[in-house]
Parts: sequence; structure tokens; C-alpha cells
Amino acid sequence: QQQVKQSPQSLIVQKGGISIINCAYENTAFDYFPWYQQFPGKGPALLIAIRPDVSEKKEGRFTISFNKSAKQFSLHIMDSQPGDSATYFCAASRYSGAGSYQLTFGKGTKLSVIP
Amino acid sequence: DTAVSQTPKYLVTQMGNDKSIKCEQNLGHDTMYWYKQDSKKFLKIMFSYNNKELIINETVPNRFSPKSPDKAHLNLHINSLELGDSAVYFCASSPTSQGAGNTEAFFGQGTRLTVV
Repeated sequence: QQQVKQSPQSLIVQKGGISIINCAYENTAFDYFPWYQQFPGKGPALLIAIRPDVSEKKEGRFTISFNKSAKQFSLHIMDSQPGDSATYFCAASRYSGAGSYQLTFGKGTKLSVIP
Repeated sequence: DTAVSQTPKYLVTQMGNDKSIKCEQNLGHDTMYWYKQDSKKFLKIMFSYNNKELIINETVPNRFSPKSPDKAHLNLHINSLELGDSAVYFCASSPTSQGAGNTEAFFGQGTRLTVV
């Protein structure tokens, strides 16, 4: 049972274009929705995150849009650059007790930005 | 100044062997995790420890045993390695917060385990 569904699996965007990655979740216990960026040979690194009481969060060229009623959220990368080429993971977090949070990841989107 | 460091970065071993992966964090976090990333890049939590106490233990074969000697270290020991254990294993840590607090997880560089 996949609790966080992510699409598309891969994405090719021209430099300067907009990259859009979508995610949907099922468990209403999730209360934190981060996006992670992973370069080859590296660990995932937090890019931007949102809480369900906010519908949009913007940090530089990266924006998360969140639709609580539809249980969907998306990442928009404006003015995409070749350096943005990486694998992007959406995730959903819920408190597991004793100070521990469980991240459930989507399956990832491999983004390639071509010059 | 590495925040979450794992050793080794690469590990090639034969089926049936026992191996360990070490993880250390210098962020002062109370909670540490092990995640597994398979060949299709799917990331799945395996274990979570808070201040040396096991909190999350997902459906993982009992050949996998985490050990936390102190809150800055979480090691992963794997017995009787199988071909299907080949994957990248990531250690992570996060600050402790009750309820809806800061839940950013910081990941290490990963250990690529290849079982031959």
C-alpha cells in the first residue's frame, strides 16, 4: 500500500521552464510535507516543506502548493536550471511518539533540465 | 564538519556474511533513523531510535539489528546477508519535538551495500 503517490516518474524541462511534480497522500495523520532533493551519490537534502494549515509556500524559485481537501501537494520549480537536475522526493511525516517522526516518501521524480 | 556521517561509503560482501554500518551525528539530535533505498530509488524507513530507545521498527527481517550506544550513534548490523539486501542504506537524524514541531531529517551520504 503506497501512502504517498508521486508523478511523473521522470521529467525533462528546458532551461528557464517550469518543472511541476505532483504528490497525493492518503493518511490524514500526516502533518508535515517536505520535499527532498537528491543528487547522484548523495543523501536526500531538505528543499522546502509545508504544513497543512498553509496553502502555499515559496522559497526563491521553489513553491509548494497544498490542497488539504484533495490531499494533494505539488512542487513548482520556476526558471529551471541545469543545476536543478536531480531526483526529487515528496514526503509526508507523522508523529510516531517519543520524539520520533516517520517520513513516508513518494517514489521520486528524476528531473533533467536541458540547456 | 559533517553533520551525519556513515561508514563505510561502499561495502561489497559475499552472501552469508555479517556486516555493520556505522552512523554518527554531531547535530545534537535525539532521534536517529535508518532508511533503505532500493534499486528503483524508493526510500523506506527501517528503524527509528530516540535517545537510544527503539521507537519505529518497520517490517524488516530480524537479520537486521540496530544498535545505539549513545544518542549520537546508531549502527546497523546485518547477519547472513542475502542478495536482496543490496541497496543504499541511509542514516538520518532529526531534532526532537513534541507534536507538530520541526521534523526536518538530515541524511548521511549513504552506504552502498552490494551482496555478491
